[in-house]
Amino acid sequence: SQKIEQNSEALNIQEGKTATLTCNYTNYSPAYLQWYRQDPGRGPVFLLLIRENEKEKRKERLKVTFDTTLKQSLFHITASQPADSATYLCALARGNDMRFGAGTRLTVKP
Amino acid sequence: NAGVTQTPKFRVLKTGQSMTLLCAQDMNHEYMYWYRQDPGMGLRLIHYSVGEGTTAKGEVPDGYNVSRLKKQNFLLGLESAAPSQTSVYFCASMDIQETQYFGPGTRLLVL
Repeated sequence: SQKIEQNSEALNIQEGKTATLTCNYTNYSPAYLQWYRQDPGRGPVFLLLIRENEKEKRKERLKVTFDTTLKQSLFHITASQPADSATYLCALARGNDMRFGAGTRLTVKP
Repeated sequence: NAGVTQTPKFRVLKTGQSMTLLCAQDMNHEYMYWYRQDPGMGLRLIHYSVGEGTTAKGEVPDGYNVSRLKKQNFLLGLESAAPSQTSVYFCASMDIQETQYFGPGTRLLVL
């Protein structure tokens, strides 16, 4: 069965450092992969989408990579700030099949 | 422009009771989704709709029914609630760039 794993439940880093979150998957061939941010008590908010034929995407301080051979996506937040503290979800999709990881809770300490 | 709204925000049910969760979007999106989110698990797709009058099963459809009578509304029904359906329910709509817009969620407790 399909499995999506995000590297850890929680990640703590110091302000100004780069946060790197990992999303690994098995038994799945997504057409695209997305990253969402979720704050406590709220719905997820879309951040970035990367397609299966793309290697890297950037948006301001965010960067996502997608390696379909390794079946892995890396999500980077550079120059992290305390306001970046949240849970980050990866989502994989092919057609109408949507699968989410459990999320990584990122805490950026001042 | 309210985006995606969900009602109610919170509900407590007794086992065997029924209820309907309402999702509304004002972005004219064709695609709409219902998910449940449980601690330690990712969002799981319950049902989805690719347009008015159409619905389809997702990953965990058992115990739920849906209807999409109007393009802007997507209803999720629980005919006979069970404690295993205690969860946070999120509705989402998707634009043509495949970006999903989520509602604020409905917290459901089934006793």
